[in-house]
Amino acid sequence: AQSVTQLGSHVSVSEGALVLLRCNYSSSVPPYLFWYVQYPNQGLQLLLKYTSAATLVKGINGFEAEFKKSETSFHLTKPSAHMSDAAEYFCAVSFNNAGNMLTFGGGTRLMVKP
Amino acid sequence: NAGVTQTPKFRILKIGQSMTLQCTQDMNHNYMYWYRQDPGMGLKLIYYSVGAGITDKGEVPNGYNVSRSTTEDFPLRLELAAPSQTSVYFCASTPTGYGYTFGSGTRLTVV
Repeated sequence: AQSVTQLGSHVSVSEGALVLLRCNYSSSVPPYLFWYVQYPNQGLQLLLKYTSAATLVKGINGFEAEFKKSETSFHLTKPSAHMSDAAEYFCAVSFNNAGNMLTFGGGTRLMVKP
Repeated sequence: NAGVTQTPKFRILKIGQSMTLQCTQDMNHNYMYWYRQDPGMGLKLIYYSVGAGITDKGEVPNGYNVSRSTTEDFPLRLELAAPSQTSVYFCASTPTGYGYTFGSGTRLTVV
């Protein structure tokens, strides 16, 4: 079955530390991948997307993600965490070629300590 | 542009009541979706539509109905509310499938 797994439902980092949020997917077909961010009591906002171009994708707010086909991973990173990065992050994958049906991971809540 | 607009933002229903969650987009997107979000469970697809007059079931359609009479509107209907339908509901749309635009959500409590 096609699935998206986010390792760690909660991640806590100190302000200024590296942020690493993990996402793995199961698929034999190169997918389209996305990261979304959800701030409290808001909808989801697109952070970045991979659509078969460069494997290192840069997004908003200093985030980036690297697509590794051999590892079926699309981990999200940011070199230096800021307090405003505290939010819930969702990895999403489209397993069809049209990219119009997304399967979401369970989400990772990022907490940033001062 | 307003993007994707959902109403109401909050609602409390009694068991057995009915209601319609409204979703409107002004971006002329063909694809529209309804998701529910439960704590720690990510987003589950309820229904989706690939264009006016065309709808299909997602992963968790039981207890819900939808219609798509226009490109702009995609309402979600709950006929007989149950406590298991307590959740946050999100509507989303996309033109070609590459990245959804989400509404701000409707928080529904069934008591």
